[in-house]
Amino acid sequence: ETGVTQTPRHLVMGMTNKKSLKCEQHLGHNAMYWYKQSAKKPLELMFVYNFKEQTENNSVPSRFSPECPNSSHLFLHLHTLQPEDSALYLCASSQDTESGREGYTFGSGTRLTVV
Amino acid sequence: SQKIEQNSEALNIQEGKTATLTCNYTNYSPAYLQWYRQDPGRGPVFLLLIRENEKEKRKERLKVTFDTTLKQSLFHITASQPADSATYLCAVSRGGYNKLIFGAGTRLAVHP
Repeated sequence: ETGVTQTPRHLVMGMTNKKSLKCEQHLGHNAMYWYKQSAKKPLELMFVYNFKEQTENNSVPSRFSPECPNSSHLFLHLHTLQPEDSALYLCASSQDTESGREGYTFGSGTRLTVV
Repeated sequence: SQKIEQNSEALNIQEGKTATLTCNYTNYSPAYLQWYRQDPGRGPVFLLLIRENEKEKRKERLKVTFDTTLKQSLFHITASQPADSATYLCAVSRGGYNKLIFGAGTRLAVHP
C-alpha cells in the first residue's frame, strides 16, 4: 500500500455507461494527478490539481470529467467512452506543487476496459 | 516538444551483474530527472531524483548519472537480483507548473 488508494481496481463498462474512478490519499499531499497508461506507451498526464484547484487539463476529451472535492480525494467521471479509452488510469500525489521537484506517489491504478 | 527515449527492448542480465538503463531526452535540459520502477499491473514507484546541477546520485545499490551535454541519464543497479526484474521509467520536468513527462520504460529481466 503506497498511501494512494484507487478504486475500483478493474472496471468494464459499455460505451453508453457512466462510471467514476476514485482516488484517495491521506499523506497530506497538496497536488494530485490523473495519468493514463496505454500498452507500450508513456504515461500521459490528464489533469493536475494543486490545493484542490485544477491547474492542468492536457487537452483531454470532455467525456473525462475530473472532480476534486478536497485535498484528499480525486475523482474521474467517465461517460460515453470509446474502446480506445481502455487503459490503466493512475492517480498520483505529491507534497510539492512544483512539477518534478519531488517524486510522485502513485496508486495501483484502475484497469479500464470499454466494450 | 520534449520527448523521452528509453530502449524499448528488454534488458536481460545475469544475477550479480550491473544493469545499466539509458534515458535520452530530445529538447530542453530538464530541471529535474526522476526514475521509477513499475511492476505489471501496478503503479510506478519513485526511486531517485537528480537535479540539473547534479552529476550523480546514489541510493543503496542504485546510481543515477545526468549528462546535460549528451542529454542523457544512466540508471545503474549493482549486484542485480531477480527481484529487480521490472520496468524502469524515466521522467523529466522543467519545474514550475510544467508537466512531468515520462518515457515508455525499459523492461529489465535479471536471471538467476
